[in-house]
Amino acid sequence: AQSVTQPDIHITVSEGASLELRCNYSYGATPYLFWYVQSPGQGLQLLLKYFSGDTLVQGIKGFEAEFKRSQSSFNLRKPSVHWSDAAEYFCAVAGTASKLTFGTGTRLQVTL
Amino acid sequence: EPEVTQTPSHQVTQMGQEVILRCVPISNHLYFYWYRQILGQKVEFLVSFYNNEISEKSEIFDDQFSVERPDGSNFTLKIRSTKLEDSAMYFCASSGSWVKTGELFFGEGSRLTVL
Repeated sequence: AQSVTQPDIHITVSEGASLELRCNYSYGATPYLFWYVQSPGQGLQLLLKYFSGDTLVQGIKGFEAEFKRSQSSFNLRKPSVHWSDAAEYFCAVAGTASKLTFGTGTRLQVTL
Repeated sequence: EPEVTQTPSHQVTQMGQEVILRCVPISNHLYFYWYRQILGQKVEFLVSFYNNEISEKSEIFDDQFSVERPDGSNFTLKIRSTKLEDSAMYFCASSGSWVKTGELFFGEGSRLTVL
């Protein structure tokens, strides 16, 4: 069965600082990996996805993530965080069946 | 930009009542999904729907739940007799071609409160 672990429940960073959100997955084959963002009261917005090919993927809003098969990880990064990035971030994994399995999420707080 | 729309945004109901949550997926999409998020917990898959039938469902999706695409545009989730533990945010999602794009487009959710 596929699963996702996001070890950090809550992270606080200063505006302008760099960010890395951790994600580890469990899946038998090559997974499809995703990062979604959820602002308060909003739905889920796709930041980026990895299906195959280049292991460093670029997404919207200046985010990127790197797929590391050896570590079963897909960490999300941003070089300089903006106050508007404060939200909940979910990592997800899927197989070919298109059913997403989400992690428990990491709440990002940005201090000015 | 096309989007998935959900109604109602918030519904309060009494335990044991039937609830229907409605979704209008993106018009040319073929795959439809319901997910739910209990407050403070992770988003969980409920069901996927393709070609007018359920393609996959989770353990959560028991006989109390049903989905339907009654016309060419709507996709509904019915909970027959609500329980307190059904209180959650329910997200509808749709996808064009999973293999090609791998993207689910989510609606903003319908918050269900069961009293």
